[in-house]
Amino acid sequence: GENVEQHPSTLSVQEGDSAVIKCTYSDSASNYFPWYKQELGKRPQLIIDIRSNVGEKKDQRIAVTLNKTAKHFSLHITETQPEDSAVYFCAASPPYNTDKLIFGTGTRLQVFP
Amino acid sequence: EPEVTQTPSHQVTQMGQEVILRCVPISNHLYFYWYRQILGQKVEFLVSFYNNEISEKSEIFDDQFSVERPDGSNFTLKIRSTKLEDSAMYFCASSALASNTGELFFGEGSRLTVL
Repeated sequence: GENVEQHPSTLSVQEGDSAVIKCTYSDSASNYFPWYKQELGKRPQLIIDIRSNVGEKKDQRIAVTLNKTAKHFSLHITETQPEDSAVYFCAASPPYNTDKLIFGTGTRLQVFP
Repeated sequence: EPEVTQTPSHQVTQMGQEVILRCVPISNHLYFYWYRQILGQKVEFLVSFYNNEISEKSEIFDDQFSVERPDGSNFTLKIRSTKLEDSAMYFCASSALASNTGELFFGEGSRLTVL
């Protein structure tokens, strides 16, 4: 089945710097890749997603890129702010009439003022 | 903004006891899910539920687990005889469309501690 690897597990950046989190997936037929942000003690919330027919998607300071050939996708956060500090999870949706998301192991991002 | 709500937020139980975790999905959503997250590990799919039946379940979701939508608003996860390894955060989620099509909305989780 689908397997999603996520790196790094922790990431510390200075406020204003960029942060990049990378995920790889195993099933080349997976076609939907969301990113969730989970602040401490709160629920995971969708921040951006991308589908396999698109190579890049941007929403203000957040962007996601997808390389289908290499089977990896990345989250890019520019001009980081302390409120970006959270755990970020990538996920992939396997094909073949399935209804689940396979999550990565999470990246704890700390943005220092 | 509508939210998925879960109760209890934290439950402590003895090994072998039955536990029921409750969820109220967003009212116009059609797809319901349970995921779990063991401390420090990834979020794992347990089960999906659509049209009043299980549509998919993982290998984790064995005979000790069951789900129910008893009254059209609540969505429950029952663990019949808890084991130590069932200790985890359990997230309920719902979506208007299948999760590979539409956004998944998560509840804040129920932390289960089995002693």
